[in-house]
Order: sequence, then structure tokens, then C-alpha cells
Amino acid sequence: GESVGLHLPTLSVQEGDNSIINCAYSNSASDYFIWYKQESGKGPQFIIDIRSNMDKRQGQRVTVLLNKTVKHLSLQIAATQPGDSAVYFCAENRTGRRALTFGSGTRLQVQP
Amino acid sequence: NAGVTQTPKFRVLKTGQSMTLLCAQDMNHEYMYWYRQDPGMGLRLIHYSVGEGTTAKGEVPDGYNVSRLKKQNFLLGLESAAPSQTSVYFCASSYRDRGDTEAFFGQGTRLTVV
Repeated sequence: GESVGLHLPTLSVQEGDNSIINCAYSNSASDYFIWYKQESGKGPQFIIDIRSNMDKRQGQRVTVLLNKTVKHLSLQIAATQPGDSAVYFCAENRTGRRALTFGSGTRLQVQP
Repeated sequence: NAGVTQTPKFRVLKTGQSMTLLCAQDMNHEYMYWYRQDPGMGLRLIHYSVGEGTTAKGEVPDGYNVSRLKKQNFLLGLESAAPSQTSVYFCASSYRDRGDTEAFFGQGTRLTVV
């Protein structure tokens, strides 16, 4: 079946280090991917997206990499800060489909 | 600009009781969604709507009903609450969904069924 999943449930990093959160997807028809950040007690918040015609996209301190060959997506956070502590979800969609499918999330813990 | 607003934020129900969760968006979005989030799991789609007067089933629709009488509102109803419906519920909306647009989420409703 189709799925969007994450390799690690929890990632702990030191403040100032770079963080890499990974995500695997199974459906080769997926052509749109989003990373969401969810802080405790809040709804998911959009971070960055990427379409399948791209391999890389950069935002402020964040970079998303897409490897369609191995169906893998990663979120890189540069100079991780305490405010980055949250659960991060990847989600995917494809043309003609009505709603996003979410992975189970990775908790990022930033150690001072 | 409030975005997506959910009411109530918290609720405790007894098994068998009914309730309605309200979602309102002020972004003139066409599409609206209800998701549930359980511990250790991602968001699962309950129902969605592609426009006023339309609704459709998502991944886990059993035990829930929805209505979209106005474009800005999307209601989620529990007819007879069960403990398995204890969860955090999120409403979301998007301008349209060609498969390449983000969804904006509300703050969530934490529901406990005892």
C-alpha cells in the first residue's frame, strides 16, 4: 500500500548543530511534498514544500532535498535553535488527489 | 486575519453523547478538511469538502458526519461518541487542491470520551 513514513521517531541535536530529518514515501506518483512543524498544543505549521520537478529547495535556515530515485525526502535545518524543538511531519500529494497524506512524525529535541 | 479557527478547544464527553466541532476559515478557501491525530501517528483524514454543499469521506470516516452549509464553515459531528474517538481533531483549509497546494491548520480540539 501507499505510505509516507519516517526513519526515526526522535532526533536529539545540540543547539547550533545542523539537523536532518528523513522521510520515505512509497508511491512513485507522488509529485508534491510538504514539511510541517507542530509545536506542543498547536496545529501543524507549513515550513517548506517541493514539487517533483525539483531536487532541492531552500528557505530560511531550511532546505528540503528530494530523491525521486529512492523515494526519499529530507529536511535540513541549519544552526538548530531551541525554538526548533517540535514534531516534524512530511506529507505528500499528487495531481488530482484531494488531500495530503501525512507521515507519523519525528520529534526534534534541541539540547542547550 | 484569524486563519482557521476551531471551537471548542477542549471537550470531555461521556460514551454515547453527541457533539459538533466547528471550524471556520476567513481565507475564502474552497477546500476544507477534518483530520484526527492520535499519539505516535500522523494526521488521518476523516472527511473533506471541495466546496460549499459538498462533502466526501476520507481515510477514517466511520462514526463521524460533516456538513458544509457555508463556504467558510465546516462542521464535524459525532453522533454517539465512543472512547476510540478520543483524539485531537484538526481542521484545515486550502485555496484549492490540484495536488500542489498547502493546507492551513487550526489549533486543534482535544476530545476525551470517557
